[in-house]
Amino acid sequence: EIVLTQSPGTLSLSPGERATLSCRASQSVSSSYLAWYQQKPGQAPRLLIYGASSRATGIPDRFSGSGSGTDFTLTISRLEPEDFAVYYCHQYGNSPPTFGQGTRLEIK
Amino acid sequence: QVQLQESGPGLVKPSGTLSLTCAVSGGSISSSNWWTWVRQPPGKGLEWIGEIFHSGSTNYNPSLKSRLTVSVDKSKNQFSLNLSSVTAADTAVYYCARVSSKGGDYWGQGTLVTVSS
Repeated sequence: EIVLTQSPGTLSLSPGERATLSCRASQSVSSSYLAWYQQKPGQAPRLLIYGASSRATGIPDRFSGSGSGTDFTLTISRLEPEDFAVYYCHQYGNSPPTFGQGTRLEIK
Repeated sequence: QVQLQESGPGLVKPSGTLSLTCAVSGGSISSSNWWTWVRQPPGKGLEWIGEIFHSGSTNYNPSLKSRLTVSVDKSKNQFSLNLSSVTAADTAVYYCARVSSKGGDYWGQGTLVTVSS
């Protein structure tokens, strides 16, 4: 089973700042099958990025994904108030699929 | 627009069986996607439970495999989860989702299942 470790656990930033979230895998993950989700309280996860770097439909271009192998990054270029939430990475190319433990992005 | 909707009891007794159904609308369950169950204990992260393809092929979380069955009913365009011998540790919000090559692009709203006597 591939373990995904996200860092930091909590990130405190202000609107307008840049956010960089990390997802590290215990073994190589196919870039084609690495996704990022945003989750707000009481809501289902929302797909942001798939294939490590492709934005899902309707996702603003301030969200970008990068990385390969065991190291992946989600970057939010300029934080908007609605971006403060929990973010999860997800690999679905190796069975069983797994999620990272999440990074909480909070307002500073 | 594809929509998924979970249904089932919100309360299950310890040692009982948790049974949920996910109804799919706006798309066919026979499309090339993995129909997936994910859960989230209160205040915790996401845990992948299992998945099924329309052919009936399944993959299960190894930690749940001995208690888990995921099935599909193509005639009703829905898929189901059965988790036996539940304990309080199975209390969670349960989500169904469609996972394609483009990730989990459609999710149900989630349903809270509490295991308690």
